[in-house]
Parts: sequence; structure tokens; C-alpha cells
Amino acid sequence: SQQGEEDPQALSIQEGENATMNCSYKTSINNLQWYRQNSGRGLVHLILIRSNEREKHSGRLRVTLDTSKKSSSLLITASRAADTASYFCATYNSGGSNYKLTFGKGTLLTVNP
Amino acid sequence: DAGVTQSPTHLIKTRGQQVTLRCSPKSGHDTVSWYQQALGQGPQFIFQYYEEEERQRGNFPDRFSGHQFPNYSSELNVNALLLGDSALYLCASSLLDRSSYEQYFGPGTRLTVT
Repeated sequence: SQQGEEDPQALSIQEGENATMNCSYKTSINNLQWYRQNSGRGLVHLILIRSNEREKHSGRLRVTLDTSKKSSSLLITASRAADTASYFCATYNSGGSNYKLTFGKGTLLTVNP
Repeated sequence: DAGVTQSPTHLIKTRGQQVTLRCSPKSGHDTVSWYQQALGQGPQFIFQYYEEEERQRGNFPDRFSGHQFPNYSSELNVNALLLGDSALYLCASSLLDRSSYEQYFGPGTRLTVT
């Protein structure tokens, strides 16, 4: 079953604009990760934020985490056509013998040149 | 340094047949996880292998089985294929003590069941 839900399901913007994607999840987490997938190929790890962190930056990426609302957002600044891809949030849940990542359904981002 | 590799890239099978997918982990990694990604969906966890043992299993029927070899490579077997098994199958590798935050994915095998 899917743990999270990304919002929106699809997003179309112009090059140079910022893109914001949101993710909600259901259970307590150890960390939350964002991945990118180009054209149905393999997933590329973008950034990880731990449950005790509220914000993290990596290059043009900014991730926030609100554990009280069980939500996260990914901001891509100054988008480029090469950022066109599907973006997934994935949670790693704490406790027990759980070793899996649980993914949301993803946001399809299209950046128009 | 080679990343995670998977074979074959594409595969077409008929309902009822059996299929074997292969994964070689990133050099130095000892843990392999398999995910199924249906069209338009996020990946879903099938199982994880460490030291040739299944460490955790997701909500998949027994038709899905796996194996890990002494060199850490892994196979995913699916028996009695159904149309609904058509999907992209992703392999991810990690180090055991870093699997919670550092998993590397292969390019996937696209399986089509007709």
C-alpha cells in the first residue's frame, strides 16, 4: 500500500519558475526522502530529511518537513527543462523490523523551455 | 564504479509463464531490495535480502520469490504470471547499516505480460 500522497499529481511550469510539490504520509517516520524518475527508468535519490529536522537544502532543492501535520514539501528553484521528471516522496518508518521505503504515487513535473 | 545493474531491460511473457529477473548491486553493497512499479504508480516494496536470507517481505503473494547469492547479486522470480504483473521491477542496493537512508536503484526491468 502507498504510504504517502503527492500533490499535485501533475505540474507544468515555464523554465526559470519555481516548482513546489507536497507529500503527505500516515505513520511515524524515521526519515523522508525525495526521488526523481525520468521516463519510467530508475530512481535517483535527491535529498533526505530526518524526522528531527525541519528544513534542508541541496543546491536548487529545498525540503521541509512538518511531522505534526505528517507532510513534506519539495521546492525546486529556477527550474530547467532537464528537471522534467516524476518526483516521489518515500518514507522510512521507524520501529520494529521494518527495512522498506514506502513511496507515494508521485508528481509529474513538466518544465517547458 | 559500476552502479546497480539489472537484466534484462525489457521482457515480454505470456500469462501463466514464469520469469526470472536479475540484479547486481553496487560494488560494496550487501543488501538488495526489490520493488514493483505499476504504470502511473509509485514503487511498492516486494522484499529485501541480506546474507542470502529474506529479511522483510511486502504484501505480495507467494508467486513472488527471490534469492540472494554469496556475491550479493539477487534474482526475483515470478511464477504463474498474471496480466497485473506487468510493471517496472526495480532493484535497490545498500549497505545493511545504511539501508534506511542510502539506497541506490537500478534502471529497472520492464515486464509485459500478454
